[in-house]
Amino acid sequence: KAGVTQTPRYLIKTRGQQVTLSCSPISGHRSVSWYQQTPGQGLQFLFEYFSETQRNKGNFPGRFSGRQFSNSRSEMNVSTLELGDSALYLCASSLRPVVNTEAFFGQGTRLTVV
Amino acid sequence: QQQVKQSPQSLIVQKGGISIINCAYENTAFDYFPWYQQFPGKGPALLIAIRPDVSEKKEGRFTISFNKSAKQFSLHIMDSQPGDSATYFCAAAAGSYQLTFGKGTKLSVIP
Repeated sequence: KAGVTQTPRYLIKTRGQQVTLSCSPISGHRSVSWYQQTPGQGLQFLFEYFSETQRNKGNFPGRFSGRQFSNSRSEMNVSTLELGDSALYLCASSLRPVVNTEAFFGQGTRLTVV
Repeated sequence: QQQVKQSPQSLIVQKGGISIINCAYENTAFDYFPWYQQFPGKGPALLIAIRPDVSEKKEGRFTISFNKSAKQFSLHIMDSQPGDSATYFCAAAAGSYQLTFGKGTKLSVIP
C-alpha cells in the first residue's frame, strides 16, 4: 500500500511569507501528526489531528496552524516565516491516535527560509 | 517533565560489533517506548517498541532493554552492519498522547 505522502518535498521561502504543507496519510489512517525536525532540537511535536479535530498541540507559536479534511488529508500552515522556521517538517499517520498504533512517517518537506 | 534524554550523540562501531544507545526519561506516565531509525533524506521508521510490562524485547539483531525502576531503556544492535549506519531516535509517550523524542544518535558502522 502507498505510504505517507508529503508535498512538496522542498520549499524555499522568504522571511515574512507564509507556507502551506500537505500530508496524505496511509489509506484508512485517521490520525495525522506533524513534527518539526532540526539539527539542534531534534524532533518536536507540532500538533495531531484525528477525525478532523485537533487532539494535541505542541509548544509552538500561533503562527503554526493545521487542519485535517474529511478524507484525513492534513495541511499545516506557517505564517510570517522566520529564519528559524527552516527545518524538515514530518507528518506521521496512524490508524488511531498516535501511540495506540504504529505511526508511519512520510519523507518530510524541507523548508528553507531565506 | 516530558523530556527524553538520549546518549551518545554519535557512535562509531566496527562491523560485527554491538551498538548500544541509551535513553532516560522522567515522566512516569510514559507507557510506550519506540525506537526509530532514520536514513538521510527519509522519514523515521519504527524499528522496535516496548511497553513497561516487559523488561526486554528482541527482534532479529535489535533488542530493547527496559529498566522501569531506573526509568531507562536502551537499544542494542548485535552484529552491527554498515547498512545499520543511520540516526536512531528513542521516543516515549503516555497513553494516546504524542511521542516525545530523544535528540538522536548518529551511528556509523565501519567495515
